[in-house]
Amino acid sequence: NAGVTQTPKFRVLKTGQSMTLLCAQDMNHEYMYWYRQDPGMGLRLIHYSVGEGTTAKGEVPDGYNVSRLKKQNFLLGLESAAPSQTSVYFCASSSSSAQEDTQYFGPGTRLTVL
Amino acid sequence: GIQVEQSPPDLILQEGANSTLRCNFSDSVNNLQWFHQNPWGQLINLFYIPSGTKQNGRLSATTVATERYSLLYISSSQTTDSGVYFCAVVEWADGLTFGKGTHLIIQP
Repeated sequence: NAGVTQTPKFRVLKTGQSMTLLCAQDMNHEYMYWYRQDPGMGLRLIHYSVGEGTTAKGEVPDGYNVSRLKKQNFLLGLESAAPSQTSVYFCASSSSSAQEDTQYFGPGTRLTVL
Repeated sequence: GIQVEQSPPDLILQEGANSTLRCNFSDSVNNLQWFHQNPWGQLINLFYIPSGTKQNGRLSATTVATERYSLLYISSSQTTDSGVYFCAVVEWADGLTFGKGTHLIIQP
């Protein structure tokens, strides 16, 4: 049982390049989330999903897109990376809604945009 | 939106000391969680505690929802307790709102 895994662990992009971050969970959780963490800050919600085929915007969705084609995977895409998107990205999952249940976090992806 | 304030922002203690970390929130919440982010960046769940008191080894937490605060107690601190402690509550329909954290350093 690996829990929540994220790929890749590190990435450096040039401004304007695109990339996709992959989150996978093996706990059969319905809910999945993407957060970003900037230096000296707590995490902020980018997008989330309440089930396969569904996505919704969080607090800071601009510049990102997501997809949940399979229950166990949640993808975060950057179509045209900007230096402001330099951050550590965390994925999380939970078996029921955030109001009712614990969220479990992956190890993070450190992204630098030059 | 809901405001989450944690105090103190920084705390330096000697090994063996006890500490209390505080989390204040500006509105009623249905979920409150405490996390420890270790020096390698990993977020570790400590407590899911929307109300009441829980204990896990040297750590315990109390949330008084009616007064909009939560406390995390760490007893007999060890160097491995170092890191950042986050309080997070539910504001958005299905996401957590985090405080800025308390940076704890335990010196040997």
